[in-house]
Amino acid sequence: AQTVTQSQPEMSVQEAETVTLSCTYDTSESDYYLFWYKQPPSRQMILVIRQEAYKQQNATENRFSVNFQKAAKSFSLKISDSQLGDAAMYFCALESAGKSTFGDGTTLTVKP
Amino acid sequence: GAVVSQHPSWVICKSGTSVKIECRSLDFQATTMFWYRQFPKQSLMLMATSNEGSKATYEQGVEKDKFLINHASLTLSTLTVTSAHPEDSSFYICSARPPPVTSGRTDTQYFGPGTRLTVL
Repeated sequence: AQTVTQSQPEMSVQEAETVTLSCTYDTSESDYYLFWYKQPPSRQMILVIRQEAYKQQNATENRFSVNFQKAAKSFSLKISDSQLGDAAMYFCALESAGKSTFGDGTTLTVKP
Repeated sequence: GAVVSQHPSWVICKSGTSVKIECRSLDFQATTMFWYRQFPKQSLMLMATSNEGSKATYEQGVEKDKFLINHASLTLSTLTVTSAHPEDSSFYICSARPPPVTSGRTDTQYFGPGTRLTVL
């Protein structure tokens, strides 16, 4: 069985500042993928960033970057220069053997 | 590119009736589609995985006779909630995955906008 834990139900950040969302996971598979998804109020799931476990280099997408610590099974998301449009629920997800497991989510509030 | 649609976006039905939800990949062929259920302010729970031309694989605890999944083509999967009851009210999300670009690697899944089902 695989598990994903997001220990922060809610986070807030001031506009233009940086925030880090935490995620830990567990899997017995050696080949897996990690994702961060954003779900705004519209409830459309949007891929933020993807990391392949065999790659040591941390993935980055513009203002979004991850800190992937494979030995610690940690996969945190850093959002730099936060914008009002970043406000949403963020889900960490693990995919292995063709199946995805999602964390419980972190609701991010961005204060103007 | 990589757009997935769902229809309807919301539906209200009476208890005991059946409801069909369609999931379409609009600009790519999806060898695999997934169906998820999401309760308010909660996580996505995988219900089943469907592969084109074969029977769906259901997750533990999901009634296959209750939630009928058909993946008739490479661009369409349907979820039918049979004899719906109020406890089936939820937000149902599908996702679709194209064939891997590189053999042995997994491509990203693309999500539909979801369907809100309310059973009275």
